[in-house]
Order: sequence, then structure tokens, then C-alpha cells
Amino acid sequence: NAGVTQTPKFQVLKTGQSMTLQCAQDMNHNSMYWYRQDPGMGLRLIYYSASEGTTDKGEVPNGYNVSRLNKREFSLRLESAAPSQTSVYFCASTAIRTATDTQYFGPGTRLTVL
Amino acid sequence: AQSVTQPDIHITVSEGASLELRCNYSYGATPYLFWYVQSPGQGLQLLLKYFSGDTLVQGIKGFEAEFKRSQSSFNLRKPSVHWSDAAEYFCAAPMKTSYDKVIFGPGTSLSVIP
Repeated sequence: NAGVTQTPKFQVLKTGQSMTLQCAQDMNHNSMYWYRQDPGMGLRLIYYSASEGTTDKGEVPNGYNVSRLNKREFSLRLESAAPSQTSVYFCASTAIRTATDTQYFGPGTRLTVL
Repeated sequence: AQSVTQPDIHITVSEGASLELRCNYSYGATPYLFWYVQSPGQGLQLLLKYFSGDTLVQGIKGFEAEFKRSQSSFNLRKPSVHWSDAAEYFCAAPMKTSYDKVIFGPGTSLSVIP
């Protein structure tokens, strides 16, 4: 039981390049989330998926797209990376709803955009 | 706007000393509240959560937190800190408007002096 896995662990992009961050969970959870973590700002929600087949915007969705490929996988895409997207990205999942359920986090992807 | 605040950006304590990390929330009704811990280079892990009932909540690793409605606070405590407790600590609460979204505080970084 690996929990929540994320790939890659580290990535360096040039401005304008695109990339996809991958996330998978093996706990049969319904809800999945993408956060970014910046110094002094805690975690901010980018997008979430309350169930397979649905996605919704979070607090900071601009510049990102997501795909809930199936119940296990939730990917985050940067179409044209900008230096402001330099951050650490975390994927998380919960059994049903974030309000009452524990969130399980992946180890993070550290992204630098030059 | 709804918010979760952690007044202390950084705290340093000696090993064996007691610890209290502060968390305040802006919320109308009694909220659900969480404390998460992030060890260096890792994702977040749940320490404890409060839903209702007993206002003193026990968590993992010897941590506890007390909910005080009158002060809109949910402070985290530990009677005797260990060097391995050095980490970043985040308080969190679900949004009033959507139980699928959680607001995280900015975090408190804990350093432990041997």
C-alpha cells in the first residue's frame, strides 16, 4: 500500500514550457486535490476532484489544468510555465470529503521555472 | 473572508520543554479543525482533528489540542518536545461554503535545541 505517489520529485522548466505532474492513490479514495506550497503562505488549493469524472477550481487555478483520469489518478498540467509557478506541489486524497476525512498527502514535486 | 491564522511564524524550544502552537480561525459556527505536521522534504501528515464533543483532542506522537470557542482558537500542545518534533505545523479548517475545500494556515516552523 503506497498511499499517494507523485512524479516527478523534482523538475526544472524554462518559461513557456509545458509539463504534467502525475498523482496516484491506491486507497480507493473518492476525492483528490492539488495544492501548491509557497513560503509563508501555507498550502493553497489549485484544483480538486470530489469524485471520478468531476473537477473544480480551487483558490489559485489560473495557469493550470487537471484531469481525473480514473478513480486512482489525478494529473496537473502546466500549459505554459511561468516563474510565478515555481513552487512545491502536493497531491492529496480523502476517502469522501475533506471536511471530515483525513487528507493523505504525497511527498511533493519541487518545480522551478527559470 | 474566512481565514485560519497562525500568529507564530517560527518557534524555537529546547528538547524536553513544553510546546504550544497557536491557531485562530474565523468561523460562524463550531468548525471542524485539523492540525497537520510536515517533516522536512515530506508531505503533510494528520496529527489530530476536532469535530465536536470533548474540546481536548488527543493525537499522534503525544500531541493534543484544545478547542476554545470563546477565543476562536485551536492551540496545539505537547508537554515534552523531542528533537524529532522539529517540523512545520499547519492548522486547517474546511471552508464554510464548501466542505470539499480546506483552508490551511500559513504554518509555524518549529526548531528544537538539543
